[in-house]
Amino acid sequence: NAGVTQTPKFRILKIGQSMTLQCAQDMNHNYMYWYRQDPGMGLKLIYYSVGAGITDKGEVPNGYNVSRSTTEDFPLRLELAAPSQTSVYFCASTRLAGVGGTDTQYFGPGTRLTVL
Amino acid sequence: DQQVKQNSPSLSVQEGRISILNCDYTNSMFDYFLWYKKYPAEGPTFLISISSIKDKNEDGRFTVFLNKSAKHLSLHIVPSQPGDSAVYFCAASAAGGTSYGKLTFGQGTILTVHP
Repeated sequence: NAGVTQTPKFRILKIGQSMTLQCAQDMNHNYMYWYRQDPGMGLKLIYYSVGAGITDKGEVPNGYNVSRSTTEDFPLRLELAAPSQTSVYFCASTRLAGVGGTDTQYFGPGTRLTVL
Repeated sequence: DQQVKQNSPSLSVQEGRISILNCDYTNSMFDYFLWYKKYPAEGPTFLISISSIKDKNEDGRFTVFLNKSAKHLSLHIVPSQPGDSAVYFCAASAAGGTSYGKLTFGQGTILTVHP
């Protein structure tokens, strides 16, 4: 199992450019998440998905979009990059027993994004 | 509004001694707590967790203590090893109909274990 994979590892964008951060997991997990980590801060939830075709906003969704067409993939889209989106982005997945369940989240290695 | 707080940005200990990392939370709906360890240029990796029905959970050198009345948890590492040097994140989750396993993280504590 590769676990959770993310591409690219690094990216530099100019203000106003767009890009898609890729995330894939091969553990057949139904729940997937996108977090961002700013320097000296904890991870903040951007978007999450409870299954293919179902997504919802997290704590800091502005400036981002997501889609979940398959169980394996959960891409994060930045439409108009801004310097405030300079951060490290982590994708995670978990299998929950039910909507009220809790379980370990497995994280990808991250994408370091700089917007200049 | 920081619902999960790790008030010590860094901690330095000698190899073989105990490391104690602390975490406080404010949301009384949180009932599942996790500790993650993160090395530079890697994603966080799960270390240990505890449910609110317990006050202690142990896994090898790692023990997590939960004090619900004080809304405080701590991670003890005994004995500490240089390979434990990393950033440690406390995270919390609220089981329930709309939680969907979402985690709220603290800011992290940088642990340095000196040989």
